[in-house]
Amino acid sequence: EDQVTQSPEALRLQEGESSSLNCSYTVSGLRGLFWYRQDPGKGPEFLFTLYSAGEEKEKERLKATLTKKESFLHITAPKPEDSATYLCAVLGEGDMRFGAGTRLTVKP
Amino acid sequence: EPEVTQTPSHQVTQMGQEVILRCVPISNHLYFYWYRQILGQKVEFLVSFYNNEISEKSEIFDDQFSVERPDGSNFTLKIRSTKLEDSAMYFCASSLGAVNQPQHFGDGTRLSIL
Repeated sequence: EDQVTQSPEALRLQEGESSSLNCSYTVSGLRGLFWYRQDPGKGPEFLFTLYSAGEEKEKERLKATLTKKESFLHITAPKPEDSATYLCAVLGEGDMRFGAGTRLTVKP
Repeated sequence: EPEVTQTPSHQVTQMGQEVILRCVPISNHLYFYWYRQILGQKVEFLVSFYNNEISEKSEIFDDQFSVERPDGSNFTLKIRSTKLEDSAMYFCASSLGAVNQPQHFGDGTRLSIL
């Protein structure tokens, strides 16, 4: 069965303190790995799609990378407005599976 | 920027009643989805819809649930004989093309069953 595990569950950073979020997955026939940002009371907001190992995507302070077993979301010099829950989801031969998310808090 | 819109934002219903959750996907998108998120839990896939028929559904999506695209713009989720455990956030999403294209989500309908 497809599985997605995100770590850590929660992460508190000072503004400007770079870090990485992890998404480990097991899936039959990866068709895509997706990163989303979710703010309280809102729907997931699309960030990146990665399709094959070695692929990288970048947007502002965020960079997503992919290996055959895991993906990382690197946050460089975060700002308080980056505070949110970051969700990883994988699409294999079945339906989309989401991880439980990492709740990121960035303190000024 | 085009977005997925969902109505109502909050629905309160008595147990046993039927509810219809409504969604307007992004206009040129072809694939439509429903997900649910029980408070404090993961986002869970319910169903995908393409070319006016269900393309995939999860074990959660049993005979209690149905989906419909009644016209060219709306996509609905009907839940019959609601139960307490149906209380959750329900998200609609749409994607432009193939199923592995990014899915864009609405802000959800919070369903409370009393």
